[in-house]
Amino acid sequence: GQQVMQIPQYQHVQEGEDFTTYCNSSTTLSNIQWYKQRPGGHPVFLIQLVKSGEVKKQKRLTFQFGEAKKNSSLHITATQTTDVGTYFCAGNGGATNKLIFGTGTLLAVQP
Amino acid sequence: GAGVSQSPSNKVTEKGKDVELRCDPISGHTALYWYRQRLGQGLEFLIYFQGNSAPDKSGLPSDRFSAERTGESVSTLTIQRTQQEDSAVYLCASSFSQGSNQPQHFGDGTRLSIL
Repeated sequence: GQQVMQIPQYQHVQEGEDFTTYCNSSTTLSNIQWYKQRPGGHPVFLIQLVKSGEVKKQKRLTFQFGEAKKNSSLHITATQTTDVGTYFCAGNGGATNKLIFGTGTLLAVQP
Repeated sequence: GAGVSQSPSNKVTEKGKDVELRCDPISGHTALYWYRQRLGQGLEFLIYFQGNSAPDKSGLPSDRFSAERTGESVSTLTIQRTQQEDSAVYLCASSFSQGSNQPQHFGDGTRLSIL
């Protein structure tokens, strides 16, 4: 079945450093969504990318969808302690309508 | 409230007991999802209700797990004869319509602990 993997599984950075998480699918995706889950919280939708090669920005966050629509990345510039949490990508490349969530990347930011 | 509501927020029960978890989706959302999240792990898809279509039960781990949804409203997830490996946070999410291009809105989850 379709699999969505993320790397790294865990990243620890100093506040102010940049951070990137990568999302890779075993199948071509129709779209990719990104979610953030704060410690003890629930996932919250951040953004959706649909077009091949699409790039979207939200303040310090930059999201990219690969040309082949099989991978995506989330880059955070100058991390802050409020960025702490687990970032999940989610996509659909199969015959059903359901999203498949990636394995997640836990970001820790040291002040 | 405007968000997805789940109850109870915490449930502690003895091994072998049945439990019922409830999810109230956002009004007007036709799609509803249940996920399981073990400590420090990702989201494990359980079941997906899409309007009046037959639900996608492909993620249910065993026949001890079942879920129902009445129309486009409340859903209940039932776990029979609970086992210790069922301990996890059970998350419910809803979206405006069926289709993977819709953002999912999550509830706070039910933290289930099996003694």
